[in-house]
Amino acid sequence: QVQLVQSGAEVKKPGASVKVSCKASGYTFTSYGISWVRQAPGQGLEWMGWISAYNGNTNYAQKLQGRVTMTTDTSTSTAYMELRSLRSDDTAVYYCARVRRRAIDYWGQGTLVTVSS
Amino acid sequence: DIVMTQTPLSLSVTPGQPASISCKSSQSLLHSDGKTYLYWYLQKPGQPPQLLIYEVSNRFSGVPDRFSGSGSGTDFTLKISRVEAEDVGVYYCMQSIQLPGFGPGTKVDIK
Repeated sequence: QVQLVQSGAEVKKPGASVKVSCKASGYTFTSYGISWVRQAPGQGLEWMGWISAYNGNTNYAQKLQGRVTMTTDTSTSTAYMELRSLRSDDTAVYYCARVRRRAIDYWGQGTLVTVSS
Repeated sequence: DIVMTQTPLSLSVTPGQPASISCKSSQSLLHSDGKTYLYWYLQKPGQPPQLLIYEVSNRFSGVPDRFSGSGSGTDFTLKISRVEAEDVGVYYCMQSIQLPGFGPGTKVDIK
């Protein structure tokens, strides 16, 4: 069965960086993309960007351009999302999710990132 | 950017009764390939979202047939024929004809 298992919760200070991992199993990793979606406490879903696991092509939300980098390691079927220059309003649960064509179907369990001084 | 709106934003339903959620987009979600890129998700309390409906009206694997989706262009509807206790949570619509964007969510609870 398709599984996306994310790394554990993080606490970071403002200005620091965080890198979240997402290990995929149960499907051919390079046949799909990975999207990252975040959810601030008590808020809705915000799409952050997408990476093709086939060729590494990326597409990021404009508001995060310059602060976010998404990568994959096909040897371990793992996707990564790094967010830099963290601010308090980056505090959120970060989800990775599988993408086929334009559909986001399976989701990881989420990783809580807390930004606090 | 495409703006997604949902109504109502909250809904309280008696078990066994139907429920309906509307989703509207600021631009047509019909692509030149003939597909309409509108999806419905349910986020149960404390869980990640789960895909219910893809491309307007197709139930995802394992989704009960009490869930159905309809609509076209800019107006879409998710219907639950008979609400069950396990259906509580927040329902989101999402478009992906452009960079993906979600509606604000509709919180459904049980009376």
